[in-house]
Amino acid sequence: GDSVTQMEGPVTLSEEAFLTINCTYTATGYPSLFWYVQYPGEGLQLLLKATKADDKGSNKGFEATYRKETTSFHLEKGSVQVSDSAVYFCALSGSGGYQKVTFGTGTKLQVIP
Amino acid sequence: GAGVSQSPSNKVTEKGKDVELRCDPISGHTALYWYRQSLGQGLEFLIYFQGNSAPDKSGLPSDRFSAERTGGSVSTLTIQRTQQEDSAVYLCASSRLATGPGETQYFGPGTRLLVL
Repeated sequence: GDSVTQMEGPVTLSEEAFLTINCTYTATGYPSLFWYVQYPGEGLQLLLKATKADDKGSNKGFEATYRKETTSFHLEKGSVQVSDSAVYFCALSGSGGYQKVTFGTGTKLQVIP
Repeated sequence: GAGVSQSPSNKVTEKGKDVELRCDPISGHTALYWYRQSLGQGLEFLIYFQGNSAPDKSGLPSDRFSAERTGGSVSTLTIQRTQQEDSAVYLCASSRLATGPGETQYFGPGTRLLVL
């Protein structure tokens, strides 16, 4: 079945540091890939997505590129802020003909001033 | 409404009691999903609705769990004879369509269930 593997946290960075959260996936067909974010006390919200190979999703300074050859969708940001502190979930959908989402276990990011 | 809403936001119940969790999707969204977020377990899919029918119930963990959707809108997740392992945050999501690449799911704030 489908699966998503992402790096375990927590990840602690200083403000303005470079962020990478690794994500790899296993799926049949050509899934869509997502990063969701969950800020403290809030619900899950879509951060960015990519629907085909070599697509780059971007939002709020975050980027991720759909790499079919390495089955990866790593999340990056050049300069993190304290307000980026949250749990980040990598996810995929579309393998089953409808949009059931398979999530990774989440990576907690803490940014310190 | 502006987003997916869920009620109650928190529920504390005693082992063996039944609970009902409600989800109001975004108006016009045909697809609705239930997920469970447990500490240390990540997010797991429970059930998916297309309109009022549920083509995929594969994630329901036992026959104590059931869900329905009426009028292509509100959905209720029912857990009978609750157990302590049912304690989790139950998330509902909706999307405009069920198919199509990259169809975005919009999540509600969740219901935090604690079974004592």
